[in-house]
Amino acid sequence: NAGVTQTPKFQVLKTGQSMTLQCAQDMNHEYMSWYRQDPGMGLRLIHYSVGAGITDQGEVPNGYNVSRSTTEDFPLRLLSAAPSQTSVYFCASSYLISGRGYEQFFGPGTRLTVL
Amino acid sequence: DQQVKQNSPSLSVQEGRISILNCDYTNSMFDYFLWYKKYPAEGPTFLISISSIKDKNEDGRFTVFLNKSAKHLSLHIVPSQPGDSAVYFCAARWNSNYQLIWGAGTKLIIKP
Repeated sequence: NAGVTQTPKFQVLKTGQSMTLQCAQDMNHEYMSWYRQDPGMGLRLIHYSVGAGITDQGEVPNGYNVSRSTTEDFPLRLLSAAPSQTSVYFCASSYLISGRGYEQFFGPGTRLTVL
Repeated sequence: DQQVKQNSPSLSVQEGRISILNCDYTNSMFDYFLWYKKYPAEGPTFLISISSIKDKNEDGRFTVFLNKSAKHLSLHIVPSQPGDSAVYFCAARWNSNYQLIWGAGTKLIIKP
């Protein structure tokens, strides 16, 4: 049971380049989400999905696309990278645990730098 | 407008003493509160949670207190250990939604 895995761990892009951050979970969780974490700020929700084929925008969706073709995978695509997208990206998944309030399990993160 | 606030960016505590981390919120519709712990270069991990219908939840060395009238919650760690040195995030769930609203985090440093 690997939990939530993310690749790559580190990435450097040039402005305008595109790329996909990969996220996979093996816990059969319905809910998956992408966050970004910036210094002095909490985690901000980019996009989320409540099941295969269903995605929705979070707080900061601009510049990012997602899809959910399977329960396990939830890739995040940067369409045209900008320096403002330099951040640490976390993928998380969850299911309802009775009495625990949608505890989310996180991957180790991807540190992205856009030059 | 930050709905979940952790006003102390950092906190330093002597090993063996009590650590108290604080969190304030503005939205009275939050129905669940969670604390996460994060080590450098790792993702956050769940620590403890509390429903809005309770005022206290305990799990080993960790206790969370909720004061709904003051819209304030706190995490107590007793006794503090070196391995507790990490960033602690407070998060809140709104109206049985899957989404969580996060505070900015407090860096806890446990001094030997």
